[in-house]
Formats: sequence, C-alpha cells, structure tokens
Amino acid sequence: KQEVTQIPAALSVPEGENLVLNCSFTDSAIYNLQWFRQDPGKGLTSLLLIQSSQREQTSGRLNASLDKSSGRSTLYIAASQPGDSATYLCAVRPGANNLFFGTGTRLTVIP
Amino acid sequence: DAGVIQSPRHEVTEMGQEVTLRCKPISGHNSLFWYRQTMMRGLELLIYFNNNVPIDDSGMPEDRFSAKMPNASFSTLKIQPSEPRDSAVYFCASRGRTGRQTQYFGPGTRLLVL
Repeated sequence: KQEVTQIPAALSVPEGENLVLNCSFTDSAIYNLQWFRQDPGKGLTSLLLIQSSQREQTSGRLNASLDKSSGRSTLYIAASQPGDSATYLCAVRPGANNLFFGTGTRLTVIP
Repeated sequence: DAGVIQSPRHEVTEMGQEVTLRCKPISGHNSLFWYRQTMMRGLELLIYFNNNVPIDDSGMPEDRFSAKMPNASFSTLKIQPSEPRDSAVYFCASRGRTGRQTQYFGPGTRLLVL
C-alpha cells in the first residue's frame, strides 16, 4: 500500500521568507501528485498537480517539483505571507482513481 | 459553479442514532469520492463512484457504513448505528471526465457522536 509522508509536521517562519515543504511516497508507480491547501475548518483546495511525466509545476509564488524515481516531491513557497498560513497536504494518485494523502505540514507565517 | 455542496455542515448526534450525510457534486463531473479526516489517521478514502457505480469501497470501515449514488447529482453516506469513534470530518469530492483533472472538495461535514 502506498504511504505518503510529509516533513516537517509543523513549520513557523517570519513573513517574507522562502520555504520548502517535503513529501515522500513509497511506491513510485504514480499517475500524478497533487499539493492541496487546507484552512482550519474548511475543505481542501488544489494548488498544483504534477503529472508523472513532469518534473515541476509553477503557480505564482508556488513551485512544486517531482522526482518520481526517488519518491519525493517538494513545494517551494517564495516570499511567504501571513495569508499562506494553512495546512499543506501532498497526495499521490496511483493508476487507479484513489488519492493517498500525507498527514500534512501545518505552516504558520508570522507577520 | 457552486462547487461541491455538502450538508449538513455540522452534525451532533447520540450514539446509536442513524446519520446521513449528503453531497452534490459539481455538475458534469462523473467521479465522486467520500473521505474521512481525523487527527489520528489523516484523510482516508472511504468509497468512490464512477458514473454512479461504486468502484472501490474497501475503505469503508465496517457494515455500519453505506453509501449510495442514485444519480449523477446526488450521493449519501449513511452511518447506522453511529458510534463515538465515527466522529470526524467527512469530505465529498468530485472529478471531471478527463482523467487528469484534480478532485474538487466540498467544505466537509463535521460529525460528533456523543
């Protein structure tokens, strides 16, 4: 069974700092990988989706990379803002329809 | 588009009662997913439907849980009888017909079983 791990579990940074969130998965046979954001008491919002054939995706200040062979992905957030404070979840999709989620990284950006 | 709609948003019930959670997927989406989120286990897939047909229900914890999708615009997740350990946030998500598309999540139903 696919297992997804996210490190660190929690992270606090001062506003303006660049940061990296890490995600690792045990089975490299994936269809795609997604990064989601979850605000307290809310649902999940998809941030970036990387297909298995891609190495990275960018959206604004966010950049996600994928190294399928080593089972790793990173989410890079540039010039962090207090509004970036949330829990960030990584999810991998194997060949079937399912998504396997990591336990998340809780990010706090301090003004 | 209103996005994925879930009701109720909050549910408090007593142990042994029946609980029904509802979901309306995004119009035109043909895949629907039910997830459960707890502090201990994170997000877990319970069941998913494709074209209204249950494809994989291996995540359903036990026979007390059942899910239906009578048509493309409505699904229910039922717990009968409910137990305190069922307390969690239940999310519904839907995805469009193109396989590469992301899943769109509803706001969730926060269930507390006393």
